[in-house]
Amino acid sequence: DAGVIQSPRHEVTEMGQEVTLRCKPISGHDYLFWYRQTMMRGLELLIYFNNNVPIDDSGMPEDRFSAKMPNASFSTLKIQPSEPRDSAVYFCASSPARDRGYNEQFFGPGTRLTVL
Amino acid sequence: RKEVEQDPGPFNVPEGATVAFNCTYSNSASQSFFWYRQDCRKEPKLLMSVYSSGNEDGRFTAQLNRASQYISLLIRDSKLSDSATYLCVVNRKGYSTLTFGKGTMLLVSP
Repeated sequence: DAGVIQSPRHEVTEMGQEVTLRCKPISGHDYLFWYRQTMMRGLELLIYFNNNVPIDDSGMPEDRFSAKMPNASFSTLKIQPSEPRDSAVYFCASSPARDRGYNEQFFGPGTRLTVL
Repeated sequence: RKEVEQDPGPFNVPEGATVAFNCTYSNSASQSFFWYRQDCRKEPKLLMSVYSSGNEDGRFTAQLNRASQYISLLIRDSKLSDSATYLCVVNRKGYSTLTFGKGTMLLVSP
């Protein structure tokens, strides 16, 4: 079975440019999460969706960041305009429906973003 | 105080050694606990869940101490392939999200 798919795997851009990161979750998973990982701050949750609806975007650093999930098989994270401090690895993860307990999150390979 | 704290390491051990990592969490409402493993330049992957009674998976043993709010991971007979960063992860009751520690790096040498 295909896991979580992210594209691009690497992105190098210049400050001020728009960056769009893409994610295809595992089919049948109800939850989708966007994370950012840096050496300084570790893995931080940016936003998550349940059944395509954004539930909590309190981790989004500022208005330059936006995320959408137009359908169950696709999500985007957009940064406009990008800044050097946005350089990080961005992970998308998905998990199946939560029953009475917790379900494992499955991570994609990540997008390594460098903003010059 | 950070919600999940770990010693960043690195822990340098020879093959065959036993090594233990601890992690503390600040929120007493935390309900579920996990160890994830992250190889260099790869994504995190679930290593094992941590149950109140403690649990073992081969060479790996995880324990939870709710009173002191810490979680431990013990690795016996370390292999070179165990070299990775180990992330302590907690889930708060009623929440769908996870909180990750910054990880402890383990380097196993021949």
